[in-house]
Amino acid sequence: DTAVSQTPKYLVTQMGNDKSIKCEQNLGHDTMYWYKQDSKKFLKIMFSYNNKELIINETVPNRFSPKSPDKAHLNLHINSLELGDSAVYFCASSQEIIAGEETQYFGPGTRLLVL
Amino acid sequence: AQSVAQPEDQVNVAEGNPLTVKCTYSVSGNPYLFWYVQYPNRGLQFLLKYITGDNLVKGSYGFEAEFNKSQTSFHLKKPSALVSDSALYFCAVRDGGNDYKLSFGAGTTVTVRA
Repeated sequence: DTAVSQTPKYLVTQMGNDKSIKCEQNLGHDTMYWYKQDSKKFLKIMFSYNNKELIINETVPNRFSPKSPDKAHLNLHINSLELGDSAVYFCASSQEIIAGEETQYFGPGTRLLVL
Repeated sequence: AQSVAQPEDQVNVAEGNPLTVKCTYSVSGNPYLFWYVQYPNRGLQFLLKYITGDNLVKGSYGFEAEFNKSQTSFHLKKPSALVSDSALYFCAVRDGGNDYKLSFGAGTTVTVRA
């Protein structure tokens, strides 16, 4: 029944490794997002896909690469992990993005710790 | 550019008292305003939003917010706070039609004491 789900919930890894976080939504939404929440709880958009097309690409290191195989999935791949990548990563979805009125629904988050 | 400010890092109230969490915004066009709540180790949950129409918006769990265009504010309120309302609250704004991004405030931690 979970509307927006993320796997894994926790991810502990070593510096320099490559890891992926998966997101799936069963709401039938067209738009999906990745956000990063830092240790001070500040929340910032990273990427957004609308109908599998990348429409938001914030100033994020190119070690981060989103991939959307279909409208219901948006994965985040991170290469060469650094200590500063430690954060909580949230996936979200909304019906669409163009009009701007649509509510975004968030997943439970993936807590990434880079050692 | 759009931005949102939550001037209080923390708000402490006694159970049963009114709760107010402040939010001000800056946009060049029409603001689309949202409130979310985050409980410990959980994702964000939507509370309410203002897009257009009545300035007083009612949302989940007894919360409401009032849009004030002249003061560029969208304060969240609850007439009688519960201990279970203790959480982190985020205000967010989108410059309707001018920007795809939703910008979040820094968050306000609400603690309701019994």
